[in-house]
Amino acid sequence: DAGITQSPRHKVTETGTPVTLRCHQTENHRYMYWYRQDPGHGLRLIHYSYGVKDTDKGEVSDGYSVSRSKTEDFLLTLESATSSQTSVYFCAISGGTGRGEAFFGQGTRLTVV
Amino acid sequence: ILNVEQSPQSLHVQEGDSTNFTCSFPSSNFYALHWYRWETAKSPEALFVMTLNGDEKKKGRISATLNTKEGYSYLYIKGSQPEDSATYLCAFTTSGTYKYIFGTGTRLKVLA
Repeated sequence: DAGITQSPRHKVTETGTPVTLRCHQTENHRYMYWYRQDPGHGLRLIHYSYGVKDTDKGEVSDGYSVSRSKTEDFLLTLESATSSQTSVYFCAISGGTGRGEAFFGQGTRLTVV
Repeated sequence: ILNVEQSPQSLHVQEGDSTNFTCSFPSSNFYALHWYRWETAKSPEALFVMTLNGDEKKKGRISATLNTKEGYSYLYIKGSQPEDSATYLCAFTTSGTYKYIFGTGTRLKVLA
């Protein structure tokens, strides 16, 4: 299994509070991604990173920010959580060719109440 | 926004039936087409990656074809088994950005 760890695995938070999810990899892969999974929507890309301090927006980036200060860590922050951000969040990594496999973490279930 | 569409959304088949799903994607800036299998409570796992028009891939009872000119890929499962029950996702990557854009998936349930 690819070395990807997401933390926390489960979180319940209140509306308006900041939340940070962490993705840690041990594969030294250049590309890292954050997706959210919602019923009827499959996986939607939030943000991705193509190197340390290099990030770009995905399809559903509003309300989210990311940071990557080290190759191995990619953080997703919800500055002020809303109920619409209740979802399962997946981190993925790839070697960056676009023709290779993307490997996924185990997911983080976030509930905003 | 790049749109990847999959059909059908869900499918129930009997054990032993053969089935197929469709993935439609933009034909411009095509780089690669990926198929993933996603079992409940697990993470998606790669089945195939295809890059050339006319590519065909096979793994056991599962195979896939690719038409980049018209922008579609088919996934076939021959003799479905209950353990094939999962969501099957396709993902499209474009040249230059390396973003994996996923479709909404086809949820397959194989009845014993």
